[in-house]
Amino acid sequence: QVQLVESGGGLVEPGGSLRLSCAASGFTFSDYYMAWIRQAPGKGLEWVSFITTYGSYTNYVDSVKGRFTISRDNAKNSLYLQMNSLRAEDTAVYFCARASHSEGAFDIWGQGTMVTVSS
Amino acid sequence: QSALTQPRSVSGSPGQSVTISCTGTSSDVGSYNSVSWYQQHPGKAPKVMIYDVTRRPSGVPDRFSGSKSGNTASLTISGLQAEDEADYYCCSYAGDYTRVFGGGTKLTVL
Repeated sequence: QVQLVESGGGLVEPGGSLRLSCAASGFTFSDYYMAWIRQAPGKGLEWVSFITTYGSYTNYVDSVKGRFTISRDNAKNSLYLQMNSLRAEDTAVYFCARASHSEGAFDIWGQGTMVTVSS
Repeated sequence: QSALTQPRSVSGSPGQSVTISCTGTSSDVGSYNSVSWYQQHPGKAPKVMIYDVTRRPSGVPDRFSGSKSGNTASLTISGLQAEDEADYYCCSYAGDYTRVFGGGTKLTVL
């Protein structure tokens, strides 16, 4: 079935780094745009980053620009989020999600992976 | 990249209708017909209920409908059912491959 599965979350100290992965299955991964969306504990959803089908274009929410990098490997049906210089305010559940076009809604979501930034 | 504005909470009795508003700006909601709505139950991933302002994915009951006027989009749920109790988020395309979400609305079915 169509599925996204995130991994790589965990506890990291402020200033540290973490790489999240999202494994896609059940659909042609390279046909879809992908995004990372996060949700801090008890808070709402926040769009984090977006990547086009072949990775030619990416964009980020202002608060993570210069610190996070989104990438994908279509041969491995995988999406990634490299997170550097982590801050306490980056603590959240991180979801990956797919969109059928550049302005499209997110029709499939993963279950999320928790990232906790704390000393 | 300011969040869209939604009411913190709404409520209604079973069988009634409720409407959740989502106010943005001329740079997001007002400029694009790319507003979507997501339902999220506690501890679960969000689920798309409406996309492209008014369209419903297959499997979503026709009790859910969307609309937009100017910089404000709305989600209406008619014939409220107990299982509709959840958090609801709007989301708009905001240009240059970016998105902005609303702060979320907690729907309580009385």
